[in-house]
Amino acid sequence: GNSVTQMEGPVTLSEEAFLTINCTYTATGYPSLFWYVQYPGEGLQLLLKATKADDKGSNKGFEATYRKETTSFHLEKGSVQVSDSAVYFCALSEAGGGNKLTFGTGTQLKVEL
Amino acid sequence: ETGVTQTPRHLVMGMTNKKSLKCEQHLGHNAMYWYKQSAKKPLELMFVYNFKEQTENNSVPSRFSPECPNSSHLFLHLHTLQPEDSALYLCASSQETGGAYNEQFFGPGTRLTVL
Repeated sequence: GNSVTQMEGPVTLSEEAFLTINCTYTATGYPSLFWYVQYPGEGLQLLLKATKADDKGSNKGFEATYRKETTSFHLEKGSVQVSDSAVYFCALSEAGGGNKLTFGTGTQLKVEL
Repeated sequence: ETGVTQTPRHLVMGMTNKKSLKCEQHLGHNAMYWYKQSAKKPLELMFVYNFKEQTENNSVPSRFSPECPNSSHLFLHLHTLQPEDSALYLCASSQETGGAYNEQFFGPGTRLTVL
Protein backbone atom coordinates (compact mmCIF):
# COMPACT_ATOMS: atom_id res chain seq x y z
CA GLY A 1 0.00 0.00 0.00
CA ASN A 2 0.88 3.66 -0.06
CA SER A 3 2.99 5.24 2.65
CA VAL A 4 4.73 8.52 3.45
CA THR A 5 7.80 8.83 5.67
CA GLN A 6 8.86 12.14 7.19
CA MET A 7 11.81 13.07 9.34
CA GLU A 8 11.02 13.10 13.03
CA GLY A 9 10.84 16.39 14.82
CA PRO A 10 10.85 18.69 16.47
CA VAL A 11 13.12 20.73 14.25
CA THR A 12 14.35 23.85 16.03
CA LEU A 13 15.91 26.67 14.00
CA SER A 14 16.90 30.26 14.50
CA GLU A 15 15.11 32.92 12.49
CA GLU A 16 16.52 33.33 8.96
CA ALA A 17 18.01 29.82 8.97
CA PHE A 18 17.59 27.44 6.02
CA LEU A 19 14.94 24.77 6.40
CA THR A 20 14.75 21.27 4.96
CA ILE A 21 12.14 18.74 6.01
CA ASN A 22 12.63 15.38 4.33
CA CYS A 23 9.77 13.36 2.88
CA THR A 24 9.89 10.09 0.96
CA TYR A 25 7.00 8.02 -0.29
CA THR A 26 5.97 4.60 -1.51
CA ALA A 27 3.13 4.39 -4.00
CA THR A 28 1.92 2.51 -7.03
CA GLY A 29 1.62 4.51 -10.21
CA TYR A 30 2.22 8.23 -10.27
CA PRO A 31 0.83 9.96 -7.20
CA SER A 32 0.31 13.65 -6.61
CA LEU A 33 2.31 15.03 -3.69
CA PHE A 34 1.41 17.68 -1.12
CA TRP A 35 2.66 19.57 1.87
CA TYR A 36 0.08 20.64 4.43
CA VAL A 37 0.77 22.95 7.39
CA GLN A 38 -1.01 23.01 10.75
CA TYR A 39 -0.60 26.14 12.84
CA PRO A 40 -1.29 25.88 16.60
CA GLY A 41 -4.99 25.42 17.34
CA GLU A 42 -5.97 25.22 13.68
CA GLY A 43 -6.76 22.61 11.08
CA LEU A 44 -4.49 21.63 8.21
CA GLN A 45 -4.00 23.99 5.27
CA LEU A 46 -2.62 23.08 1.88
CA LEU A 47 0.81 24.71 1.53
CA LEU A 48 1.90 23.47 -1.89
CA LYS A 49 1.54 20.58 -4.29
CA ALA A 50 3.08 18.90 -7.32
CA THR A 51 1.23 16.55 -9.63
CA LYS A 52 3.97 15.03 -11.79
CA ALA A 53 7.66 14.23 -11.79
CA ASP A 54 10.05 17.22 -11.75
CA ASP A 55 7.23 19.64 -10.91
CA LYS A 56 8.12 22.20 -8.27
CA GLY A 57 5.42 23.38 -5.89
CA SER A 58 5.95 26.73 -4.17
CA ASN A 59 4.09 29.03 -1.82
CA LYS A 60 5.00 31.61 0.86
CA GLY A 61 8.72 31.06 0.22
CA PHE A 62 8.46 27.29 0.64
CA GLU A 63 9.39 24.96 -2.21
CA ALA A 64 9.35 21.21 -2.88
CA THR A 65 10.33 19.30 -6.03
CA TYR A 66 8.72 15.99 -7.04
CA ARG A 67 11.67 13.61 -7.48
CA LYS A 68 10.47 10.34 -8.98
CA GLU A 69 13.94 8.76 -9.11
CA THR A 70 14.40 9.14 -5.35
CA THR A 71 10.65 9.02 -4.48
CA SER A 72 11.09 12.21 -2.49
CA PHE A 73 9.35 15.55 -1.98
CA HIS A 74 11.53 17.47 0.46
CA LEU A 75 10.26 20.81 1.77
CA GLU A 76 12.69 23.75 1.77
CA LYS A 77 12.68 27.42 2.71
CA GLY A 78 15.65 29.72 2.44
CA SER A 79 14.96 31.90 5.47
CA VAL A 80 12.45 30.87 8.11
CA GLN A 81 10.49 33.22 10.36
CA VAL A 82 9.02 32.76 13.82
CA SER A 83 5.58 32.74 12.16
CA ASP A 84 6.54 29.55 10.28
CA SER A 85 6.43 27.59 13.55
CA ALA A 86 3.88 24.85 12.90
CA VAL A 87 3.54 21.15 12.11
CA TYR A 88 4.21 20.20 8.49
CA PHE A 89 2.62 17.13 6.89
CA CYS A 90 3.70 15.45 3.68
CA ALA A 91 0.93 13.60 1.85
CA LEU A 92 0.17 11.80 -1.38
CA SER A 93 -2.87 11.11 -3.48
CA GLU A 94 -2.71 8.05 -5.67
CA ALA A 95 -3.44 8.54 -9.35
CA GLY A 96 -7.09 7.76 -9.90
CA GLY A 97 -7.63 7.55 -6.16
CA GLY A 98 -9.87 10.57 -6.07
CA ASN A 99 -9.57 12.57 -2.89
CA LYS A 100 -8.07 9.87 -0.69
CA LEU A 101 -4.91 11.22 0.96
CA THR A 102 -2.13 9.27 2.70
CA PHE A 103 -0.30 11.41 5.27
CA GLY A 104 3.04 11.23 7.00
CA THR A 105 3.37 11.59 10.77
CA GLY A 106 4.06 15.32 10.61
CA THR A 107 7.20 17.27 11.55
CA GLN A 108 7.03 20.03 14.14
CA LEU A 109 9.06 23.13 13.31
CA LYS A 110 10.00 25.63 16.01
CA VAL A 111 11.63 28.87 14.94
CA GLU A 112 13.28 31.00 17.62
CA LEU A 113 14.51 34.59 17.58
CA GLU B 1 -19.15 31.58 9.50
CA THR B 2 -16.71 30.67 6.78
CA GLY B 3 -14.78 27.56 5.84
CA VAL B 4 -15.15 24.44 7.94
CA THR B 5 -16.30 24.70 11.54
CA GLN B 6 -16.29 22.02 14.23
CA THR B 7 -17.99 21.84 17.61
CA PRO B 8 -17.16 21.33 20.33
CA ARG B 9 -13.49 22.27 20.23
CA HIS B 10 -12.76 20.23 23.36
CA LEU B 11 -14.61 17.24 24.82
CA VAL B 12 -13.95 15.09 27.86
CA MET B 13 -16.07 11.99 28.24
CA GLY B 14 -16.23 8.81 30.25
CA MET B 15 -16.18 5.39 28.62
CA THR B 16 -19.90 4.91 29.17
CA ASN B 17 -20.99 8.29 27.79
CA LYS B 18 -22.59 9.04 24.44
CA LYS B 19 -21.59 12.24 22.67
CA SER B 20 -21.54 13.67 19.16
CA LEU B 21 -19.08 15.76 17.21
CA LYS B 22 -20.44 18.21 14.66
CA CYS B 23 -18.89 19.56 11.49
CA GLU B 24 -20.30 22.16 9.12
CA GLN B 25 -18.82 23.38 5.85
CA HIS B 26 -19.78 26.70 4.28
CA LEU B 27 -17.91 26.16 1.02
CA GLY B 28 -20.57 24.49 -1.11
CA HIS B 29 -18.55 21.27 -1.31
CA ASN B 30 -20.01 17.83 -2.01
CA ALA B 31 -17.57 15.61 -0.10
CA MET B 32 -16.80 15.48 3.63
CA TYR B 33 -14.30 13.51 5.69
CA TRP B 34 -13.48 12.49 9.24
CA TYR B 35 -9.82 12.04 10.22
CA LYS B 36 -8.21 10.96 13.50
CA GLN B 37 -4.96 12.68 14.48
CA SER B 38 -2.94 10.97 17.21
CA ALA B 39 0.49 12.00 18.44
CA LYS B 40 3.39 10.59 16.41
CA LYS B 41 1.06 8.81 13.99
CA PRO B 42 -0.04 9.71 10.46
CA LEU B 43 -3.47 11.21 10.05
CA GLU B 44 -5.92 8.35 9.76
CA LEU B 45 -8.81 8.68 7.34
CA MET B 46 -11.94 7.32 9.06
CA PHE B 47 -14.91 8.05 6.83
CA VAL B 48 -15.66 9.68 3.49
CA TYR B 49 -19.03 10.95 2.31
CA ASN B 50 -19.74 11.96 -1.28
CA PHE B 51 -23.11 13.57 -1.97
CA LYS B 52 -24.25 12.41 1.50
CA GLU B 53 -23.40 8.78 0.71
CA GLN B 54 -20.68 6.99 2.66
CA THR B 55 -18.02 5.86 0.20
CA GLU B 56 -15.23 4.93 2.60
CA ASN B 57 -15.10 3.30 6.00
CA ASN B 58 -11.51 2.64 6.91
CA SER B 59 -12.13 -0.32 9.23
CA VAL B 60 -13.32 2.00 11.97
CA PRO B 61 -14.76 0.35 15.12
CA SER B 62 -18.53 0.49 15.42
CA ARG B 63 -18.30 2.66 18.53
CA PHE B 64 -17.79 5.49 16.01
CA SER B 65 -20.93 6.12 13.98
CA PRO B 66 -20.97 8.83 11.28
CA GLU B 67 -24.01 10.64 9.99
CA CYS B 68 -24.29 12.96 7.00
CA PRO B 69 -27.82 14.42 6.77
CA ASN B 70 -26.88 16.79 3.94
CA SER B 71 -23.75 17.83 2.07
CA SER B 72 -23.04 20.68 4.51
CA HIS B 73 -23.21 18.78 7.80
CA LEU B 74 -21.33 15.80 9.15
CA PHE B 75 -21.61 14.21 12.58
CA LEU B 76 -19.58 11.63 14.43
CA HIS B 77 -21.57 9.86 17.14
CA LEU B 78 -19.47 8.36 19.91
CA HIS B 79 -20.43 5.65 22.40
CA THR B 80 -18.56 3.36 24.79
CA LEU B 81 -15.20 4.75 23.72
CA GLN B 82 -11.83 3.57 25.01
CA PRO B 83 -8.99 5.73 26.39
CA GLU B 84 -6.95 4.98 23.25
CA ASP B 85 -9.62 6.83 21.26
CA SER B 86 -8.39 10.09 22.79
CA ALA B 87 -7.13 12.19 19.87
CA LEU B 88 -7.82 15.23 17.72
CA TYR B 89 -10.69 14.55 15.34
CA LEU B 90 -10.53 16.58 12.16
CA CYS B 91 -13.27 17.20 9.66
CA ALA B 92 -12.54 18.21 6.07
CA SER B 93 -14.47 18.96 2.91
CA SER B 94 -13.71 19.17 -0.80
CA GLN B 95 -15.39 19.47 -4.17
CA GLU B 96 -15.27 15.97 -5.61
CA THR B 97 -15.03 16.03 -9.40
CA GLY B 98 -14.38 12.33 -9.95
CA GLY B 99 -10.76 11.14 -10.28
CA ALA B 100 -8.75 14.35 -10.13
CA TYR B 101 -7.48 15.55 -6.77
CA ASN B 102 -9.15 18.61 -5.31
CA GLU B 103 -7.89 20.43 -2.24
CA GLN B 104 -9.33 19.37 1.09
CA PHE B 105 -10.22 22.14 3.53
CA PHE B 106 -9.91 21.25 7.20
CA GLY B 107 -11.69 22.39 10.31
CA PRO B 108 -9.79 23.19 13.55
CA GLY B 109 -10.64 19.85 15.08
CA THR B 110 -12.21 18.55 18.28
CA ARG B 111 -9.77 17.54 21.01
CA LEU B 112 -11.33 14.42 22.58
CA THR B 113 -10.22 12.96 25.89
CA VAL B 114 -11.70 9.65 27.06
CA LEU B 115 -11.31 8.94 30.75
